[in-house]
Amino acid sequence: ETGVTQTPRHLVMGMTNKKSLKCEQHLGHNAMYWYKQSAKKPLELMFVYSLEERVENNSVPSRFSPECPNSSHLFLHLHTLQPEDSALYLCASSSRLVRAPLPYNEQFFGPGTRLTVL
Amino acid sequence: SQQGEEDPQALSIQEGENATMNCSYKTSINNLQWYRQNSGRGLVHLILIRSNEREKHSGRLRVTLDTSKKSSSLLITASRAADTASYFCATVLTGANSKLTFGKGITLSVRP
Repeated sequence: ETGVTQTPRHLVMGMTNKKSLKCEQHLGHNAMYWYKQSAKKPLELMFVYSLEERVENNSVPSRFSPECPNSSHLFLHLHTLQPEDSALYLCASSSRLVRAPLPYNEQFFGPGTRLTVL
Repeated sequence: SQQGEEDPQALSIQEGENATMNCSYKTSINNLQWYRQNSGRGLVHLILIRSNEREKHSGRLRVTLDTSKKSSSLLITASRAADTASYFCATVLTGANSKLTFGKGITLSVRP
């Protein structure tokens, strides 16, 4: 596969469920991101990993727990979500320039996971 | 308030016409990026323009940047029905702790 893949593409879960979203990038990038996209709101950055180290946690509730086991894989573990967490969750990756801040290159996005919390 | 704001919020044109979309921002940037998103899908990077650049082209796309006015425009020439999508500008501020900040997007409809 090429680019950035995400699974599952659709997920419906109850508020007491535990589920995980998976992202995999095949681009040789060294930074990965989780975004949340809700209707009529700007894309919200949730987490950033650079070289498998979390470098940003954008005040995200603890019911969202990211994991980056290696530079190609990123997970978002979900637990005890609320209906307002229903959204499109997008994963992205980029390459980090030497001695440059992280987002100075373009990001490549996966197709997203459409999450519905009942 | 958000860094990048697109204008207009929605645009409807006839196939073959040109589409112009604008983005304004508030503080100094390192670069500005335009992305496209088809309904319910991921974002696709279109063009990145750095603060020391004034214009860039990619196929039918032309992006301009005016740092004195803190604005950018995306021009799609000879539009096609397949250009129907949402378009986002995203800014990267100067500084070590910067991040890519997106606007709410512009919905472009190209009528066949």
